[in-house]
Amino acid sequence: EVQLVESGGGLVQPGGSLRLSCAASGFTFRRFWMSWVRQAPGKGLEWVANIKEDGSQKYYVDSVKGRFTISKDNAKNSVFLQMNSLRAEDTAVYYCARDSGTGFDCWGQGALVTVSS
Amino acid sequence: DIQMTQSPSTLSASVGDRVTITCRASQSFSSWLAWYQQKPGKAPKLLIYKASSLQSGVPSRFSGSESGTEFTLTISSLQPDDFATYYCQQYNSYPRTFGQGTKVQIK
Repeated sequence: EVQLVESGGGLVQPGGSLRLSCAASGFTFRRFWMSWVRQAPGKGLEWVANIKEDGSQKYYVDSVKGRFTISKDNAKNSVFLQMNSLRAEDTAVYYCARDSGTGFDCWGQGALVTVSS
Repeated sequence: DIQMTQSPSTLSASVGDRVTITCRASQSFSSWLAWYQQKPGKAPKLLIYKASSLQSGVPSRFSGSESGTEFTLTISSLQPDDFATYYCQQYNSYPRTFGQGTKVQIK
């Protein structure tokens, strides 16, 4: 069974940092792009970043460029999102998703990140 | 950036109704569009990819089509399990962008 499990969410003060992890199982992780997608409370979906199968290419939405970094460890079947200089508007549920080239065909359960003093 | 404009924002319908949701793109691209269903407190689920291809395991009452910059999700006969929020998403270019969502609620 294909499965993605996020961890690392929590409460952080504005300007702080947090690192999200996503552990994958049930598929050949090294063959897939991976994405992070977020959803602010009561709002719609926003794509945040993605990373190529081998980690050689990365793309970000403008609002997180220079603050967030996506990385991938194929040996550990995991993808990460390092989030620095966090702002209140980054408060959201963060989902990792398998980026199959035909859309996001598998999603984790989500990790809540709350940025507040 | 490609803007995706969904309509309507909310739709009230009854079981058995035919439901249509539209997504209009701000610029033309070829078929690289997906549709998702999301229920409260749950992750989204991929329904349709490449504008009209049905994801494995998704009931055949769901279908997608495109005409120019307009994409359509149709549910041929609404079932109780279909009351949810639906999103379109383009994956033609970066940044990947979603429509704002259409909530399908019970009439």
